[in-house]
Amino acid sequence: EVRLVESGGDLVQPGGSLRLSCEASGFNFVSYWMIWFRQPPGQGLEWVANINQDGSVTHYVDSVKGRFTISRDNAEHSLSLQMNSLRFEDTAVYYCVRDAEVVVPGVNVYDVYDSWGQGTLVTVSS
Amino acid sequence: AIQMTQSPSSLSASVGDRVTITCRASQGIGSDLGWYQQRPGKAPKLLIYAASTLQTGVPSRFSGSGSGTDFTLTISSLQPEDFATYYCLQDSTYPRTFGQGTKVEI
Repeated sequence: EVRLVESGGDLVQPGGSLRLSCEASGFNFVSYWMIWFRQPPGQGLEWVANINQDGSVTHYVDSVKGRFTISRDNAEHSLSLQMNSLRFEDTAVYYCVRDAEVVVPGVNVYDVYDSWGQGTLVTVSS
Repeated sequence: AIQMTQSPSSLSASVGDRVTITCRASQGIGSDLGWYQQRPGKAPKLLIYAASTLQTGVPSRFSGSGSGTDFTLTISSLQPEDFATYYCLQDSTYPRTFGQGTKVEI
């Protein structure tokens, strides 16, 4: 069974830092892109960042570029999100997600976000 | 960033109804679109990817269609467990972007 378990969410002051972790089990972690999504309370979903299988390629939404860093430890089957210079608008539930991408040869590669953690709440407040 | 516009933002329906939700992209995205269901207090669940491919284990009453800029999610016969919020998500370009969601209520 695929399991993704986030941890590290907390109450933090604006300008502070926090590190989220995601422990993965039940699948060959090293074979998958991994992603962080977030959802502010009562609002919609937002894609935050992703990282490729060996950690050499990352992408970020503009609002977190230069402040957040996604990383992974394939030996430990873990994904991390280092969040610095936190802002009120970073308050959200953060989800760790697996991308079981589907490759159609000669056609396309499709994201398939098939497994989600339960989420961890980050609250930025003074 | 590509903007995804969903409509309606909410709808009221009854068990057995046929429900249609639309999603429009601000530029062409081919078939790079997924649909997700989120029940209150739960993580989202993938329903459809590549615009029309049903994820394993998802009931066949769910279907997706469209390409380019206009997409549709259809629930052929609404069931009690389908009352939830539905989101479209484009995976054509970075950053990936969601529609604002459609809440399906009784």
